[in-house]
Amino acid sequence: GQSLEQPSEVTAVEGAIVQINCTYQTSGFYGLSWYQQHDGGAPTFLSYNALDGLEETGRFSSFLSRSDSYGYLLLQELQMKDSASYFCARFGRDDKIIFGKGTRLHILP
Amino acid sequence: DTEVTQTPKHLVMGMTNKKSLKCEQHMGHRAMYWYKQKAKKPPELMFVYSYEKLSINESVPSRFSPECPNSSLLNLHLHALQPEDSALYLCASSPGQGRNTEAFFGQGTRLTVV
Repeated sequence: GQSLEQPSEVTAVEGAIVQINCTYQTSGFYGLSWYQQHDGGAPTFLSYNALDGLEETGRFSSFLSRSDSYGYLLLQELQMKDSASYFCARFGRDDKIIFGKGTRLHILP
Repeated sequence: DTEVTQTPKHLVMGMTNKKSLKCEQHMGHRAMYWYKQKAKKPPELMFVYSYEKLSINESVPSRFSPECPNSSLLNLHLHALQPEDSALYLCASSPGQGRNTEAFFGQGTRLTVV
């Protein structure tokens, strides 16, 4: 299988830190990516992990554990503009990219 | 340049019409994708082209016909669509062939079938 699981909604306060988890099925797995999508917009690439560990890009970090088939996106110093849907996406060795169902992030002032 | 360009941005078509969606990238990526996205749902994979050859068709109805004229261009030909085909159609590209470390999306074509 190639499905991914992530929470449907997360709520956090402006200025706080939030973590969005993603578990995936391992068959043919190559890497895990994260995308942000605002209402009415297109998915925007945030990060990619192929190896275990943490990748940091500004306020956003992404982590992968291949042995646990698990990854997460960490958003720090939350801003109102971070309110969006966040998708984990599984890259396969066959070039297939499959998206999780998405996590809607609500940020409270 | 990480740009994927899609045209048109909006399209309204009747059920008997034929239209085409276009996608272009100049990143040297060798894998190109079509996705369909309905409101509040994830992008759903339709087709993958790898090195200009169709490598994956996710059981998409034949009223959707992809074409890859060269390594920079991807088309999606539409014919006899149904109202339920109304959605955002997204094109994406990635390096391809096991070298994928990123994939970038165009802004999409918002399609309405009447």
